Amino acid sequence: SQQGEEDPQALSIQEGENATMNCSYKTSINNLQWYRQNSGRGLVHLILIRSNEREKHSGRLRVTLDTSKKSSSLLITASRAADTASYFCAARGQAGTALIFGKGTTLSVSS
Amino acid sequence: DTEVTQTPKHLVMGMTNKKSLKCEQHMGHRAMYWYKQKAKKPPELMFVYSYEKLSINESVPSRFSPECPNSSLLNLHLHALQPEDSALYLCASSPTWARGPQPQHFGDGTRLSIL
Repeated sequence: SQQGEEDPQALSIQEGENATMNCSYKTSINNLQWYRQNSGRGLVHLILIRSNEREKHSGRLRVTLDTSKKSSSLLITASRAADTASYFCAARGQAGTALIFGKGTTLSVSS
Repeated sequence: DTEVTQTPKHLVMGMTNKKSLKCEQHMGHRAMYWYKQKAKKPPELMFVYSYEKLSINESVPSRFSPECPNSSLLNLHLHALQPEDSALYLCASSPTWARGPQPQHFGDGTRLSIL
């Protein structure tokens, strides 16, 4: 069964705007990761946030984690056409358990 | 360019054929993974290898047979596949399997079509 559920399923914005994607998960986690997948390519790891962290930044990316609500959000600021891709959250429980991916959000950024 | 290399990029095979997918990484990672991804769906874990030993098999049908000949290579042997097995097969690796939070590094996948 899936651990993560993203919303929205699809998001269309203009270049320069911010994009926010949300992820909810079901059980307790050790960490939550976000990945990007360009069409026809493999997944690229973007950022990892541990269960004892609340917010993390990496360049134009900001991730928050609320373990009480079992949810996370990914914010991409000042989006670019090159950010067009599918974005997946992936939750991991204790060591030795599998990384479970959410359904993903498809982001389209038009110039 | 990805650090995990998968070959072939595309594969078309009949239901009676036997073929193999190959994955290679030279990052010194000791955990390697096979995922199956259908169109517009998230990746689904199939197998996990840790230190060349099979650690997880997510109830995958026996027509998929994984093999880890050494710490850099991971194969997926295919035999008597069904049309519903058509998908993108992704290989990934990480430093270890059981220890701590670690990102996974993915290859670009093999797109498999079963006729």
